[in-house]
Amino acid sequence: SQQGEEDPQALSIQEGENATMNCSYKTSINNLQWYRQNSGRGLVHLILIRSNEREKHSGRLRVTLDTSKKSSSLLITASRAADTASYFCATEEYSGGGADGLTFGKGTHLIIQP
Amino acid sequence: NAGVTQTPKFQVLKTGQSMTLQCAQDMNHEYMSWYRQDPGMGLRLIHYSVGAGITDQGEVPNGYNVSRSTTEDFPLRLLSAAPSQTSVYFCASSLSPGTPNEAFFGQGTRLTVV
Repeated sequence: SQQGEEDPQALSIQEGENATMNCSYKTSINNLQWYRQNSGRGLVHLILIRSNEREKHSGRLRVTLDTSKKSSSLLITASRAADTASYFCATEEYSGGGADGLTFGKGTHLIIQP
Repeated sequence: NAGVTQTPKFQVLKTGQSMTLQCAQDMNHEYMSWYRQDPGMGLRLIHYSVGAGITDQGEVPNGYNVSRSTTEDFPLRLLSAAPSQTSVYFCASSLSPGTPNEAFFGQGTRLTVV
């Protein structure tokens, strides 16, 4: 079943504005990751945040994680047309010491208007 | 460095036909997985492998078989295709199971079953 749920499902903003998307999940996790998918392409990893971290930055990306609320947010600052894509959060939880794969949300479709 | 390579990119099958989706990675990753992506559903895990000779089921394994005879290759077999298997299929790999690290995705195979 889906673990993460992104909000909003779709977001349209003007170039230069900041974009914020949220992800909620259901169970305890080891880490949470954000991926970008351009239309018709594979997913590209953006950032990973571990369960013991609260905030992480990478270039124009800022990710927060609140394990007490089981939620994460992705902030893209100073958006560009090239940021138009779908963004997915994915959680990883381990059982029995192994890895069971990433569990993805349904994604937020971001459109940057020129 | 090719990363994760999937073939074919597009395929049309008739109901009842069988086929194999190929996936190869050249990064010496232990962990490989197959996902399917349906509209509005995000990505769902079909099967995964934590190393050569070891495979396990994901969330939606019915109708699919996998094997992992080498570290590099992880083919996905559809034994008797059904229209419900119309989807985009993604193969992914990551360095090792049980440790947090990013997944690398192939470009996808768009499969239509008529």
